[in-house]
Amino acid sequence: DQQVKQNSPSLSVQEGRISILNCDYTNSMFDYFLWYKKYPAEGPTFLISISSIKDKNEDGRFTVFLNKSAKHLSLHIVPSQPGDSAVYFCAARRPNAGNMLTFGGGTRLMVKP
Amino acid sequence: DTAVSQTPKYLVTQMGNDKSIKCEQNLGHDTMYWYKQDSKKFLKIMFSYNNKELIINETVPNRFSPKSPDKAHLNLHINSLELGDSAVYFCASSQGVGGPTGELFFGEGSRLTVL
Repeated sequence: DQQVKQNSPSLSVQEGRISILNCDYTNSMFDYFLWYKKYPAEGPTFLISISSIKDKNEDGRFTVFLNKSAKHLSLHIVPSQPGDSAVYFCAARRPNAGNMLTFGGGTRLMVKP
Repeated sequence: DTAVSQTPKYLVTQMGNDKSIKCEQNLGHDTMYWYKQDSKKFLKIMFSYNNKELIINETVPNRFSPKSPDKAHLNLHINSLELGDSAVYFCASSQGVGGPTGELFFGEGSRLTVL
């Protein structure tokens, strides 16, 4: 039972445009949501997070939106750059579970010059 | 200077063998994890240790035995390797078990191939 889902395995965007990566979840007990970025042959690196009590968090070109009623979050990258090309994982944290994160299957973003 | 380092990065072995993957973190964190990335690319938690104590074991077969000699190291030993164990194994660390954001710091991964 996959509690965190990223339904788009890949996304292609032109440089300078907006990239929107989506994530859905089923467990309403999650208290934090995180996005990780992964380059080939490297481990995932933390990008941005949002608490379940917020609906938006912004950090430079990256903004995460949370819609709790729809159990949906999205990551916006504006403007997209070729260096953003990577696999993006959505993750969710269960409270009182030792920082255990449940990950989605990832979305591969390709930003074309 | 690598924050979370794993060795080996690549491991090819035969079914039935026993192998170990080592992990070390120099971030001063007190919690370490092993995640498995399977063929479908999902990252799934296997174990979590806080200050050398096991706090999470997510229904992993007994053939997998983590060992934490100190809070900077978490090694993974796998007995009687099976084909289905082929995956990329990621070690990670964090400060505290209920840190503010749940952020984890990952190693580069160890790709295990069982033939």
